[in-house]
Parts: sequence; C-alpha cells; structure tokens
Amino acid sequence: NAGVTQTPKFQVLKTGQSMTLQCAQDMNHNSMYWYRQDPGMGLRLIYYSASEGTTDKGEVPNGYNVSRLNKREFSLRLESAAPSQTSVYFCASIGEGEAFFGQGTRLTVV
Amino acid sequence: GEDVEQSLFLSVREGDSSVINCTYTDSSSTYLYWYKQEPGAGLQLLTYIFSNMDMKQDQRLTVLLNKKDKHLSLRIADTQTGDSAIYFCADYKGMMNYGGSQGNLIFGKGTKLSVKP
Repeated sequence: NAGVTQTPKFQVLKTGQSMTLQCAQDMNHNSMYWYRQDPGMGLRLIYYSASEGTTDKGEVPNGYNVSRLNKREFSLRLESAAPSQTSVYFCASIGEGEAFFGQGTRLTVV
Repeated sequence: GEDVEQSLFLSVREGDSSVINCTYTDSSSTYLYWYKQEPGAGLQLLTYIFSNMDMKQDQRLTVLLNKKDKHLSLRIADTQTGDSAIYFCADYKGMMNYGGSQGNLIFGKGTKLSVKP
C-alpha cells in the first residue's frame, strides 16, 4: 500500500493495559483516518483528522483517543484496553480522490 | 443513514469473467472505490471512479457506475486463482461538519470471490 505505514503489525494486551498505534503517510494528504475491521461488520470509522490540528469522532470512538502530531502522523491510543477492542485496526490517508490504507494492526486483548 | 450493500459470495471458474456488484444509498457520493483484501493482509486500492463518470477501465478491471440506480460494479476479466480475495466497495461521502469538503469512506461488508481452477 502506497505511502501509509502502521506499527505495530501485531499486539497482544492484557485487559486494562494501554498502547498507542502509530500511523504515518508520505503523500502530503490532509485527511487521515482510523478504522477497525471486525468479522461481519465491515470497516467502521473510529476517529478522523481532516487536517493537522483537528480531530473528530467517527462511528465507534468510545475507548479511544487520537493525536494528529503533524501532517504526516496520526496516532490512536487505547488508554485501558478491553476485550471488545480485539480487532484489526487500519489507518488510512485520503486526498484528491485517492484513499490508501496501511497494512493493519492485529490487536488481541485478553 | 448511508448504506453500502454487496453480495457476500461469488464463485467463478478460472478464465471466466467475475462481476461483483454494489449498491449505495448516498446521492451525494463523489468517489466510489474498490479494494481487494487477501487473508491476513491490508486493503489494496484496486481502482476508483469519480461520480460523474460512467465507466473506467484499467487493464483487466472495468468499473461501471449507474448513478441513477446507485449501482456500482467491478468486472474482472480472465479471472485467475490469484484474484481470490474479499472485495470491498466503498463510498466517499462528504461530512457536513466540514461543509462537505472532507469525507469518510462508507464500506460494504465485502464480497468473497472464490476462483476454481
């Protein structure tokens, strides 16, 4: 996937632990997004950032926080992980009709 | 609210054409996308079409858009076993709190394409 890098690729957390998922894009896009993908649910928007310095809630924001550190980077934080947050997380960068995704982070909360 | 619908499964024989269909409800769509996802992998952007276009062709891929019926299709010519994957249709919708200048992708639940040798 062109220009969107996510880390880590895999993570296992215990209930109550915290972690931050990192995302960076090199396409100079203004808009960046975090989605989660669950079986039978498709992709659902957690948070998005229309430009540097702005963030907005999406469809399923509860339990998450985000930071748009600069134009390139948009991080997703789980302050106190819960088993319901077990999912595959995707970061996306959208601009001028193009919409690219990172490779995903597979998160398991036990 | 917005909705994007796809059939869940499609099975074809190698060498045949595959047609994956998608319907959407949003009349203000600007772009519509097709993504491919292989098992355990991310979303690969295959192609996208601007809403004022009827058709877009890119090698083996042909996208048809019927804006009146809000119907989008992806045709894969000469389907190969390597095309086996889940295909997602997505509708880019402008968000009102940004006056429509920023958008969100609304995804269908995906069509699993199985290609039999």
